[in-house]
Amino acid sequence: QVQLVESAGSVVQPGRSLRLSCAGSGFTFNHFGMHWVRQAPGKGLEWVAQISYDGSNEYYADSVKGRFTISRDNSKNTLYLQMNSLRPEDTAVYYCAKDDIGDEDAAWGRGTLVTVSS
Amino acid sequence: DIVMTQTPLSSPVTIGQPASISCRSSQSLVHNDGNTYLSWLHQRPGQPPRLLIYKISNRFSGVPDRFSGSGAGTDFTLKISRVEAEDVGVYYCMQATLDVTFGQGTRLEIK
Repeated sequence: QVQLVESAGSVVQPGRSLRLSCAGSGFTFNHFGMHWVRQAPGKGLEWVAQISYDGSNEYYADSVKGRFTISRDNSKNTLYLQMNSLRPEDTAVYYCAKDDIGDEDAAWGRGTLVTVSS
Repeated sequence: DIVMTQTPLSSPVTIGQPASISCRSSQSLVHNDGNTYLSWLHQRPGQPPRLLIYKISNRFSGVPDRFSGSGAGTDFTLKISRVEAEDVGVYYCMQATLDVTFGQGTRLEIK
């Protein structure tokens, strides 16, 4: 069955960087676009970024544009989120999700907590 | 961006009674391909979101048939025919027709 497993979360200081990863299995990874969605503590869901199946196209929420970079390594069936210049408001559980995110092929990981605090 | 607005934000219900959540989008969710990419997700406390419904009215595998979705264009509804204790939590609508945006969530609690 489809599985998406995010890397362990971390506590990082404001202004520092962190890279998340998401390992996919149970499906043909290089056939599907991927997303990152986050949820701040006690808040709702916020879409963060999307990458096409081959990595040729990337899309970002305004709140992270210029600071976060989504990428993938199809040879390793792994999705990444490079987060730079982290802010306290980036504190959230980060979920990876598989396309089609709005259709029957959708699947989500269990999430990983990133805490940005000094 | 498409704004998704859910009502109510909180819904106390009695076990065994029906419940209904509405979701309205700021513009039509009909995609160029003719599909409407409106989904519903359920999140229990401390858990990741669980996928319930896709394309307005299709249940994901394993979702009980007491959950049903309906609507068209900009107005959508999630109905639970008879609420069970395990249904508590927050329900989100999500559109994936143009980018991805979520409603603010509706908290379902037992009276």
